[in-house]
Amino acid sequence: DGGITQSPKYLFRKEGQNVTLSCEQNLNHDAMYWYRQDPGQGLRLIYYSQIVNDFQKGDIAEGYSVSREKKESFPLTVTSAQKNPTAFYLCASSWQGTNEKLFFGSGTQLSVL
Amino acid sequence: SQQGEEDPQALSIQEGENATMNCSYKTSINNLQWYRQNSGRGLVHLILIRSNEREKHSGRLRVTLDTSKKSSSLLITASRAADTASYFCATGIYSGAGSYQLTFGKGTKLSVIP
Repeated sequence: DGGITQSPKYLFRKEGQNVTLSCEQNLNHDAMYWYRQDPGQGLRLIYYSQIVNDFQKGDIAEGYSVSREKKESFPLTVTSAQKNPTAFYLCASSWQGTNEKLFFGSGTQLSVL
Repeated sequence: SQQGEEDPQALSIQEGENATMNCSYKTSINNLQWYRQNSGRGLVHLILIRSNEREKHSGRLRVTLDTSKKSSSLLITASRAADTASYFCATGIYSGAGSYQLTFGKGTKLSVIP
C-alpha cells in the first residue's frame, strides 16, 4: 500500500524542548516537502528537498531543521527556537522533474504544553 | 507569501446544488492546482490546469482559468454531503534552474447539507 506516513498524529512539546516529526514515503518520489498549516490558513512551506543529502529553506524555516539521509525519509525537527510551534504539520512528496502534483501525508498536530 | 486568494471563505449549500469557488492571484503562473482537505487530514490533489488551458473537467469537477483576469474557478456539480471539505487553490511557477514553487491560498470551506 503506497503512500506517505506521518507520525505521530498528535505531539506535545514542553517549553525548551526539541521534537521530531517523522515522514516516510514508499512512492519512490525524489522530492519531499514540509508545510505548516495554522487554523483557517493556507499552507506555508518550511523546507523542501529535491534529492538525498540536499534540502532548501522555504518561506518559514526559522526554528526548524531537517535532514534527508534516505530517499524515503524526511524528518522535521521543531527546535526550542520556534516560539510558536502549535500548528498542523503536513509532509508531501512528488516526482522530480514532473514535480507539480503533490501527495500529502495525513498530518501531525503539534501542541505546546 | 501567499499567491492565491480563494473566495468565498466559506460556502454552505444543499445537497444536489452546484458549488462554485474562486481563486485570484497576483503574478503570472505556469499552472494552477486545486486540492481538497477533509478536516484534520492531508490534502488530496484534484486537478491541475496549465496556463495555456482555459477549462478542464474531471468527473463532477470543472475548472476554468482566465490568465487575463488572473483568476480560476472550481465548480462541483450535483454536490454530495461527502464533498464537505476545504478546497485550496495553489499557483505553480517555474523559476530559474528548473525549480518549481507551489504557493497555496487560504482555502474555501464548503459545507454540503444533506
